[in-house]
Amino acid sequence: SYVLTQPPSLSVAPGKTARLTCGGDNIGRQTIYWYQHKAGQAPVLVIYYDTERPSGIPERFSGSNSVNTATLTISRVEAGDEADYYCQVWDRTSDPQWVFGGGTKLTVL
Amino acid sequence: QVQLQESGPGLVKPSETLSLTCTVSGGSVTSHYWSWIRQPPGKGLEWIGYVYFTGHTDYNPSLRGRVTISVDTSKNQLSLGVTSVTAADTAVYFCAKHEGQGLGPHFDLWGQGSLVTVYS
Repeated sequence: SYVLTQPPSLSVAPGKTARLTCGGDNIGRQTIYWYQHKAGQAPVLVIYYDTERPSGIPERFSGSNSVNTATLTISRVEAGDEADYYCQVWDRTSDPQWVFGGGTKLTVL
Repeated sequence: QVQLQESGPGLVKPSETLSLTCTVSGGSVTSHYWSWIRQPPGKGLEWIGYVYFTGHTDYNPSLRGRVTISVDTSKNQLSLGVTSVTAADTAVYFCAKHEGQGLGPHFDLWGQGSLVTVYS
């Protein structure tokens, strides 16, 4: 099955930029989705199709995907951005087809 | 708008069957594909399986043989069953809606999750 790798944690000061990475074999050929999950709440889709933002997601959230790494960038980080962030792919050649990374815990200092 | 709510027993004994229900409100369970996803304590998300109201399903190979997902259109619910549970099945279980009308590649709506603890 396809494997996605995320750093377990990242700490960022308020107002700074957080760059959360997601690695996988030829990940640039995959389409990446990002979810924000705050404890006790429903996960929320924040980026789809690598770079698209659902309605209601601030412009501070952006996504990119290159050959080796997909990145979720959060600009001007706020205390409310503290959460776990998961990347996800849908790989029809994989079993299972839907695969998540292990998640990155974003701490706002 | 569509909302999802998981429900079911929070405690299950080893070797017994875990059963959860996800109630769909504000929309029809026949309109989309639905998945169950879980998160063991301190770990990441794991896709369990999906269902369509026609009965079409697929499951994660790690759980295939122990898991069943179904839809009850009369109650507008989907359900999850996992047999022969062990401590490794302790997790928060989420139901989620696939984006769009087909078997979408991602999940655009999730429930808040239901914690199930396997204890002896």
